Amino acid sequence: TQLLEQSPQFLSIQEGENLTVYCNSSSVFSSLQWYRQEPGEGPVLLVTVVTGGEVKKLKRLTFQFGDARKDSSLHITAAQPGDTGLYLCAGADRDDKIIFGKGTRLHILP
Amino acid sequence: KAGVTQTPRYLIKTRGQQVTLSCSPISGHRSVSWYQQTPGQGLQFLFEYFSETQRNKGNFPGRFSGRQFSNSRSEMNVSTLELGDSALYLCASSTQLAGVIYEQYFGPGTRLTVT
Repeated sequence: TQLLEQSPQFLSIQEGENLTVYCNSSSVFSSLQWYRQEPGEGPVLLVTVVTGGEVKKLKRLTFQFGDARKDSSLHITAAQPGDTGLYLCAGADRDDKIIFGKGTRLHILP
Repeated sequence: KAGVTQTPRYLIKTRGQQVTLSCSPISGHRSVSWYQQTPGQGLQFLFEYFSETQRNKGNFPGRFSGRQFSNSRSEMNVSTLELGDSALYLCASSTQLAGVIYEQYFGPGTRLTVT
């Protein structure tokens, strides 16, 4: 069974600090998506990465897909309280079922 | 363009009852997927429907079923509810891009509480 392991599970940092969260697997994925979910809401798609080594930027968020397409990272520069939420990575397994990691719960302290 | 809508948003049921949840996808999206989200297990895939056909299914018991209508709207049914079915049920619609790129757009979810 393909799994996506996210780390850390929880992260609480001060506003203005930088942080990186990770999404790792032993399996190759054709693409990976990152989502952010706020309490009481559904996940919101942030980005899709497709090509090994690909880097995508979304304002202060930088997403990277590993060269072997088995892992991905999300780096946030100068975190703000509005970045607080649950960050989820997801990918399609070999049976085309979408699997999600359990997420990193991020809390930015003002 | 309107987003994914789910009804109802909140539901309280008793063990043994059955429940039906509804999802209206983004206009033009033909794929609808359902997920169960719990604090312990995270987001778990239930099933996916595409053009009224179940295209994929997760590892849930047969008490969980779904269907999709010709207008792409989807319903999910859970029979003989158990306490462990308490969860946030999320619906996502998607348009499959070139190759196997899946970009899903989620609704706000239905919070089901079984007592």
